[in-house]
Amino acid sequence: GESVGLHLPTLSVQEGDNSIINCAYSNSASDYFIWYKQESGKGPQFIIDIRSNMDKRQGQRVTVLLNKTVKHLSLQIAATQPGDSAVYFCAEPLGGKLIFGQGTELSVKP
Amino acid sequence: DVKVTQSSRYLVKRTGEKVFLECVQDMDHENMFWYRQDPGLGLRLIYFSYDVKMKEKGDIPEGYSVSREKKERFSLILESASTNQTSMYLCASSPNRGNYGYTFGSGTRLTVV
Repeated sequence: GESVGLHLPTLSVQEGDNSIINCAYSNSASDYFIWYKQESGKGPQFIIDIRSNMDKRQGQRVTVLLNKTVKHLSLQIAATQPGDSAVYFCAEPLGGKLIFGQGTELSVKP
Repeated sequence: DVKVTQSSRYLVKRTGEKVFLECVQDMDHENMFWYRQDPGLGLRLIYFSYDVKMKEKGDIPEGYSVSREKKERFSLILESASTNQTSMYLCASSPNRGNYGYTFGSGTRLTVV
């Protein structure tokens, strides 16, 4: 079965606000996680990754937080823009292949 | 710009037909993958390949087969299409084992009627 799952299927935010997308995982031995973004009509695109020896990793306007105690990770998008509207997936390698969560659809209201 | 190209954006096929979905990558990647994407279920792995003429079953291989005769091309075959195979099919590639920065194609939306 799936080892990663997202908390909410949809999230709506106001343009300019910060967005937080959550993901839980079940395997305490998991040591690497990836976030993908899928815009309408396109395939998923790599955003950012994090290894279990880190609690936080920052990219351009995005931050991923990893809480190993509760087996939870989140993707934070600062100053959300219309171009951030997409489906976001967390993913985890398992047996040499990527297993994806169910996805959260982020809608940005102007 | 590196690319994974899926030959069809939309396909409509009849129940019982043999269907070929083609995927080509121009990055000399070793690994290639086929996923299907359904609402509420995320992406599920059908088959993958780490090398030419090599294939491995993913989580939902039933009703599918694959072919990888050349490094750049990975074909998904629906032996006898059924309505429950109506879905979005996504092909991906990655440079080698242990590299999880997959590059995805834009997908093929298959409808089986």
